[in-house]
Amino acid sequence: EDQVTQSPEALRLQEGESSSLNCSYTVSGLRGLFWYRQDPGKGPEFLFTLYSAGEEKEKERLKATLTKKESFLHITAPKPEDSATYLCAVHPNTGGFKTIFGAGTRLFVKA
Amino acid sequence: SAVISQKPSRDICQRGTSLTIQCQVDSQVTMMFWYRQQPGQSLTLIATANQGSEATYESGFVIDKFPISRPNLTFSTLTVSNMSPEDSSIYLCSAGGTMNTEAFFGQGTRLTVV
Repeated sequence: EDQVTQSPEALRLQEGESSSLNCSYTVSGLRGLFWYRQDPGKGPEFLFTLYSAGEEKEKERLKATLTKKESFLHITAPKPEDSATYLCAVHPNTGGFKTIFGAGTRLFVKA
Repeated sequence: SAVISQKPSRDICQRGTSLTIQCQVDSQVTMMFWYRQQPGQSLTLIATANQGSEATYESGFVIDKFPISRPNLTFSTLTVSNMSPEDSSIYLCSAGGTMNTEAFFGQGTRLTVV
């Protein structure tokens, strides 16, 4: 069964304290892995797409990496405005257009 | 990219009643999706709304409970029928997310059934 697991469930950081979020996936072939940011009361907002192992994408303080079994979202010197829930999602290679989401990591950054 | 407007943003409804959620996209899209997100939980796909044909429902979701309309390439509605407190959740409309591309989401509808 296709599955996405994110860890930790919640992460509390001090401003400037770098860390990483993990997304482990089990799919019958990966067409794409996506990271989204979700603020309270809003829909998810797209951050990155990764397609193959070894690929990396960066945007400001965020960097996403991909291996054959997992993806990491590295946050360098986070600021309070980075506080949000970060969702990982995959498109499995099973036909159709179903996206499978992880439960997310709630990130809290304290000033 | 696509901008998605979803309404209402929130509602409190009596059990046994129905609520229709509207989703408007600022450009034509082939496929639209409806998700449910319960607090602290993952997004769960309810159905795929196809223009010109019936929606495709995921396991555990049925048309009688969640009827969907897709009259054109920019608009869709999801109705939550005969509501019970277990239907209290956030419902999200999405477009894109096909052909290995990213999805765009509305701001969600927070539904509370009392």
